[in-house]
Amino acid sequence: LAKTTQPISMDSYEGQEVNITCSHNNIATNDYITWYQQFPSQGPRFIIQGYKTKVTNEVASLFIPADRKSSTLSLPRVSLSDTAVYYCLVGDIGGGSYIPTFGRGTSLIVHP
Amino acid sequence: GAGVSQSPSNKVTEKGKDVELRCDPISGHTALYWYRQSLGQGLEFLIYFQGNSAPDKSGLPSDRFSAERTGGSVSTLTIQRTQQEDSAVYLCASSLDGSGGLNDFGSGTRLTVV
Repeated sequence: LAKTTQPISMDSYEGQEVNITCSHNNIATNDYITWYQQFPSQGPRFIIQGYKTKVTNEVASLFIPADRKSSTLSLPRVSLSDTAVYYCLVGDIGGGSYIPTFGRGTSLIVHP
Repeated sequence: GAGVSQSPSNKVTEKGKDVELRCDPISGHTALYWYRQSLGQGLEFLIYFQGNSAPDKSGLPSDRFSAERTGGSVSTLTIQRTQQEDSAVYLCASSLDGSGGLNDFGSGTRLTVV
């Protein structure tokens, strides 16, 4: 199972772009990269998932370099409501037996 | 449509008592997961059900923990002889077929053992 490393915490201000980088040096060929967001007293919420290059949705962008040994979640113009814990997961999502493994995540605090 | 539902939302129990936590997954989802989250920690995988296959119990921390899933739908997580270290939020999630991302988590049951 590929191990991920991400910062424990980050601080930002409203309106800024936030980039959270996750390292996964031993990512396997079939592994995808998935990011989740968790607010206090709630379960995690799926944000974005990708395999290579760039993926964008209405919430965030995910940048994955060619070697796939890291990935960056980009949140454009954050607001106070983006204060949450963000988890980076790596795993083989196919085959019908994928068990997402969560680490400590990155606690993002957005200041006024 | 209805999401993953967990009950109770909060449970306070005395040390040594047994507790049952319930999870109602999204209708038609064949895969069901249980996790627990201690204060300030990440999610710890407990058990995974997929269709009619034998569950993956590799995450259960001790034999005091067990879970079942009846009729491929509702799941119950049982903790026997609860200990204070069992205090945590217990989260359930389901997915259509056990692949892809996990889109659907319940809000969890906060268990406090006193």
